Amino acid sequence: NAGVTQTPKFRVLKTGQSMTLLCAQDMNHEYMYWYRQDPGMGLRLIHYSVGEGTTAKGEVPDGYNVSRLKKQNFLLGLESAAPSQTSVYFCASSRWTSGGASGELFFGEGSRLTVL
Amino acid sequence: KQEVTQIPAALSVPEGENLVLNCSFTDSAIYNLQWFRQDPGKGLTSLLLIQSSQREQTSGRLNASLDKSSGRSTLYIAASQPGDSATYLCAVVYNFNKFYFGSGTKLNVKP
Repeated sequence: NAGVTQTPKFRVLKTGQSMTLLCAQDMNHEYMYWYRQDPGMGLRLIHYSVGEGTTAKGEVPDGYNVSRLKKQNFLLGLESAAPSQTSVYFCASSRWTSGGASGELFFGEGSRLTVL
Repeated sequence: KQEVTQIPAALSVPEGENLVLNCSFTDSAIYNLQWFRQDPGKGLTSLLLIQSSQREQTSGRLNASLDKSSGRSTLYIAASQPGDSATYLCAVVYNFNKFYFGSGTKLNVKP
């Protein structure tokens, strides 16, 4: 089972460059999320989506954009990368349950980004 | 802001020992609580999900309990093994789809 797949797994950028991280899930989940994980900071929510065509800001959205054109894909973009965006990025997904609450959260393996 | 606290931050035990990891949260109005395992350089793997109406969940040597009124959850690991060494995180869900994570407990099980 593929579950949640992230590409690329590693990337090195120079300051000011742009890139897109792709997240794909094959579980037909409604909810998708992008987190970043930094030492001493834990997991912080960047953006999330509650369904195809929707996006919303999380805790640390500045410097990032997202799109969810298809239910199975959630893209995270960095328009002008900064060294402060050096981090490990995780995509996650969960299904909608009755009452609107989220079901179990599933994570991808992560994408390690370094901005020089 | 919702706060999730995990104590201890790190734990080292000899193989075979039973152990308890703690997770506390400030608001008892949760929808569910989930425990994860994270190995170095890897993503988070779901271990157990406890719905707000449940008091505990079991999977193999793992047992997670939930006490909403006191804002606490515990993850019990029986007969620990070196392969259990990892960081364990808890996450609580409020407002439908907002997950709040603890900072994790780093477990080292010594052979």
